[in-house]
Amino acid sequence: EVQLVESGGGQVQPGGSLRLSCAASGFTFAGYSMNWVRQAPGKGLEWVSSITTSSFYANYADSVKGRFTISRDNAENSLYLQMNSLRAEDTAVYYCARDHDTAGIDYWGQGTLVTVSS
Amino acid sequence: DIVMTQTPLSSPVTLGQPASISCKSSQSLVHSDGNTYLTWLQQRPGQPPRLLIYTISNRFSGVPDKFSGSGAGTDFTLKITRVEPEDVGIYYCMQATQVPYTFGQGTKLEIK
Repeated sequence: EVQLVESGGGQVQPGGSLRLSCAASGFTFAGYSMNWVRQAPGKGLEWVSSITTSSFYANYADSVKGRFTISRDNAENSLYLQMNSLRAEDTAVYYCARDHDTAGIDYWGQGTLVTVSS
Repeated sequence: DIVMTQTPLSSPVTLGQPASISCKSSQSLVHSDGNTYLTWLQQRPGQPPRLLIYTISNRFSGVPDKFSGSGAGTDFTLKITRVEPEDVGIYYCMQATQVPYTFGQGTKLEIK
């Protein structure tokens, strides 16, 4: 069974930093590109970032480019999102999501809430 | 970026009756490889999204056949043949033809 478990969320002040983690199990992690997608409270879904299997390519939404960094550790079956210079508008549930070659995204974690507030 | 527009944004449906959601993209979703990467997701209250349909009309593993997808180019539709209580939630279309992946605003399906 595919499982994606996010951690690292919490409350942080504007301008602060946070590092999210996603522990993957139930599949060969190194064989899949991965994504982060976020959802602000009561709002829709916004793709944030993706990373290829060997970390060769990483893509970012314009809204986070230069502030967020995606990375992965295939030996540890883990995905990360380093978030710097956080803003109030970054407040959201952040989902770790597995890439699918024809669906875009097939499996989603339960999410971790990030609140940026003073 | 490709803009995805869903209608309606809210859909009150009587139990046992069908439901239909439309999704239009701002440009063709046909990829250079010939595939159309249009996906439908369901998000039940308090839950993460769940994949229902991919490449327009393919049901994902475990998705009941009451869900079906159709369309081409820029116009797509999700249909539910007979709405049941467990179908309540928000439905999103998503395009994976081009990065960044983009989503429709969501359609809230509720029981009348």
